[in-house]
Amino acid sequence: AQKVTQAQTEISVVEKEDVTLDCVYETRDTTYYLFWYKQPPSGELVFLIRRNSFDEQNEISGRYSWNFQKSTSSFNFTITASQVVDSAVYFCALSERGNFNKFYFGSGTKLNVKP
Amino acid sequence: SQTIHQWPATLVQPVGSPLSLECTVEGTSNPNLYWYRQAAGRGLQLLFYSVGIGQISSEVPQNLSASRPQDRQFILSSKKLLLSDSGFYLCAWRDGRSSYNSPLHFGNGTRLTVT
Repeated sequence: AQKVTQAQTEISVVEKEDVTLDCVYETRDTTYYLFWYKQPPSGELVFLIRRNSFDEQNEISGRYSWNFQKSTSSFNFTITASQVVDSAVYFCALSERGNFNKFYFGSGTKLNVKP
Repeated sequence: SQTIHQWPATLVQPVGSPLSLECTVEGTSNPNLYWYRQAAGRGLQLLFYSVGIGQISSEVPQNLSASRPQDRQFILSSKKLLLSDSGFYLCAWRDGRSSYNSPLHFGNGTRLTVT
C-alpha cells in the first residue's frame, strides 16, 4: 500500500487563484515527520517544510500555508494568489521514527499556473 | 554550510556501456546518502541508501549498483546499461544523527539518456 498518496496528478490554475495540493499519508508509527518538496522544471528538488506528528498547528510562510490534520491523516499545501513561478511538481513525503532510513514520497502533483 | 555535488549534469550513453555517477557532500559528516531515479513524468523511486562507509541497502533489484568508498562520497554504477535505465538520477543526503526528522537535501540531478 502507498504510504503517501497525492491523488491530484495535475492541476491547472490561472495566476492569482488559490490552489490546494492534497496529501494523505499512512503510518502506524506514532512519531513521524511530513515534508513538502518543490521540483521546478530545472529538476532539482527544493525542501519547503517539515512537520512533526506532535505539532498540528498550521503553518504559514508568505503565500504558502500547510494544514496538518492527524484525524484525517492529511497534510495539505495551499498556495494563495498563485504565480507563474509556482509552476512545478510538488511532492509530499513521510519519514517514520521506527523506519528512519526510509523516506516515502508521494507520486507528485504537477501544478501549472497560467498567466 | 552543507552542499551536495552531483555530476555529470547530463549524459548520453549507448546500450551496453558502463555507467558511473558520482555524488559528494561537503560540510557534514556521517550523512545518510541516497540515490533516487525519476522516470519522465513519474515519481521518485528509491534505488539505494547508505548509512555508512561500505554499507549499501538496495531497494529495487536491477541493473545498477552503488558504493560508498568514503564517508561523503556515493557512487552509482552499472556494468552494462539498458534502455530502461534512462531517467533523471538524484543523489540526496540527510543528517545521520537525527535522520528520521531531518529532511533530504538533493543534488541537481543527472539526466541520463541511454540510446
